[in-house]
Amino acid sequence: DVKVTQSSRYLVKRTGEKVFLECVQDMDHENMFWYRQDPGLGLRLIYFSYDVKMKEKGDIPEGYSVSREKKERFSLILESASTNQTSMYLCASSGTSGGRQQYFGPGTRLTVT
Amino acid sequence: RKEVEQDPGPFNVPEGATVAFNCTYSNSASQSFFWYRQDCRKEPKLLMSVYSSGNEDGRFTAQLNRASQYISLLIRDSKLSDSATYLCVVLRNNNDMRFGAGTRLTVKP
Repeated sequence: DVKVTQSSRYLVKRTGEKVFLECVQDMDHENMFWYRQDPGLGLRLIYFSYDVKMKEKGDIPEGYSVSREKKERFSLILESASTNQTSMYLCASSGTSGGRQQYFGPGTRLTVT
Repeated sequence: RKEVEQDPGPFNVPEGATVAFNCTYSNSASQSFFWYRQDCRKEPKLLMSVYSSGNEDGRFTAQLNRASQYISLLIRDSKLSDSATYLCVVLRNNNDMRFGAGTRLTVKP
């Protein structure tokens, strides 16, 4: 079974804090993704990575950065958290075969106060 | 206009009912299509892929109409356990997946 884990289920941070969200997958997948999910908007892609040290901007990269130093780990960084970054953050991974199915982690609900 | 549009619902149906969800997408170059299921406070999980010829998995039938850029999901004989949000998902190219906002279904006894 594919397993994608995220470092925290719930996180509360203050405005201006630096926030790290970590994601680890155990299926040796090449591709990893960070989304945020907000009511009525669905999942929106923040960044993705198709290889170690490679990253591509998604639709809403502003205010975020990412790091992929190892194949199994993809980190999302909020350099200076703001209240409009309060959201559910979902990490996903996929391989290069199998119809590109994405496997999701359980999500991190981040609240910025 | 969103690239993938779904009726948000909610759909409230009795057990045993047949319910259909629709989805439209705007990018005609989209390559692959999926339905994902998301339970409350859980992550999305793949329900089924959608093929041009239509495909069935037990009580679930998915259809794709490329000419109309339209995808559907039919659930027959609804169960309480079918209550969830159903996400229409379109793969544009290698890694670029676009998600609809989801349709919420509640199946009542």
